[in-house]
Amino acid sequence: DIQMTQSPSSLSASVGDRVTITCRASQSISRYLNWYQQKPGKAPKLLIYAASSLQSAVSSRFSGSGSGTDFTLTISSLQPEDFATYYCQQSYGTPQTFGQGTKVEIK
Amino acid sequence: QITLKESGPALVKPTQTLTLTCTFSGFSLSTSGVGVGWIRQPPGKALEWLALIYWDDDKRYRPSLESRLTITKDTSKNQVVLTMTNMDPVDTATYYCARRGEYSGPFDFWGQGTLVTVSS
Repeated sequence: DIQMTQSPSSLSASVGDRVTITCRASQSISRYLNWYQQKPGKAPKLLIYAASSLQSAVSSRFSGSGSGTDFTLTISSLQPEDFATYYCQQSYGTPQTFGQGTKVEIK
Repeated sequence: QITLKESGPALVKPTQTLTLTCTFSGFSLSTSGVGVGWIRQPPGKALEWLALIYWDDDKRYRPSLESRLTITKDTSKNQVVLTMTNMDPVDTATYYCARRGEYSGPFDFWGQGTLVTVSS
């Protein structure tokens, strides 16, 4: 299995902060990397696909970058509705593994 | 408008077989490249990919659970069914179905999830 490791596991930030979450794959996955946002009691929501493509109707303050094994999700200016847990997922190989999640909390 | 909805029992006993149905609308599982997958999430834990079925009936399973899982589709009913045998309390989780719009693509639309508790 391809292991996906996110860091940090959690972070505290203030509204307006720039936030960066990283995801590392245990082997090269090209750009087959997706990012999801999940709020408590809700299903995950796709934010970024193919490492850097913004899903339709998702705010442009979310951006993604990377290729191979190292990827980042950046929130340019954190908003109150962005406090949630974020997951990366590789869609390169089977099983299509997820990272362990990064919880973004209010400072 | 694309929607997916999971249905099935909320409670199963250990050793029983779980059958979950994903009923979807707004897309066809006979369209080239499209797939529907199942993902679960134990309470307070991370997402875990379980299985995926493609438009051409290609099926993929999580290797560690493959002996317990079966995924099938009924294109005429717009349904995908997941069965998991020999349920154990560690299988307690919210089970989601989701659409994969293209081969090797992301899960772009998700169901609301259904909580399954395994307990005697």
